[in-house]
Amino acid sequence: KQEVTQIPAALSVPEGENLVLNCSFTDSAIYNLQWFRQDPGKGLTSLLLIQSSQREQTSGRLNASLDKSSGRSTLYIAASQPGDSATYLCAVITGANSKLTFGKGITLSVRP
Amino acid sequence: NAGVTQTPKFQVLKTGQSMTLQCAQDMNHEYMSWYRQDPGMGLRLIHYSVGAGITDQGEVPNGYNVSRSTTEDFPLRLLSAAPSQTSVYFCASTLTWGRAYNEQFFGPGTRLTVL
Repeated sequence: KQEVTQIPAALSVPEGENLVLNCSFTDSAIYNLQWFRQDPGKGLTSLLLIQSSQREQTSGRLNASLDKSSGRSTLYIAASQPGDSATYLCAVITGANSKLTFGKGITLSVRP
Repeated sequence: NAGVTQTPKFQVLKTGQSMTLQCAQDMNHEYMSWYRQDPGMGLRLIHYSVGAGITDQGEVPNGYNVSRSTTEDFPLRLLSAAPSQTSVYFCASTLTWGRAYNEQFFGPGTRLTVL
């Protein structure tokens, strides 16, 4: 059974810092990995999708990498801003039913 | 495009009542699914559908029914609400299933409280 782990559960950093959010998964036979952002009381917003054949994807200040063999992904946020404060979830698709297995998320707080 | 829409946004039910959570997408996506999000448990798959007329169970299907009569709509029915079904429910959709590119899009959620 696929398990996705995100550690730590919470992170607080000063504005301007570059930071890395980690995600690990137990079954490397994934179709792809997706990073989401969730603001309090809101839905999930897709940030980046990495297909299993890719190593990284970039969007603005965000860069996500994938190492299938080690079962790890990282989300790099450059020059963090208070507006980046949210919960970041990673999810993997394993198997043909397109089921997403989610980590429990990392709650990020960027202090002004 | 409106994307994935869900109604209602909030709902309070009494134990034993039934209700339907609505989900619609206007992106012509094949695959739709329902998740529930609970503190400390993360998001868990309830039911999913790979196309009109086809549904299947996810990780936590007990107490819920679904149907998919059209590509656009995927309602979730609570047959007899229980306090354990207090949760935030999210509907999601993706263009295709079982393929390499499966970016999933989520609705804004329905916050359900069962008293």
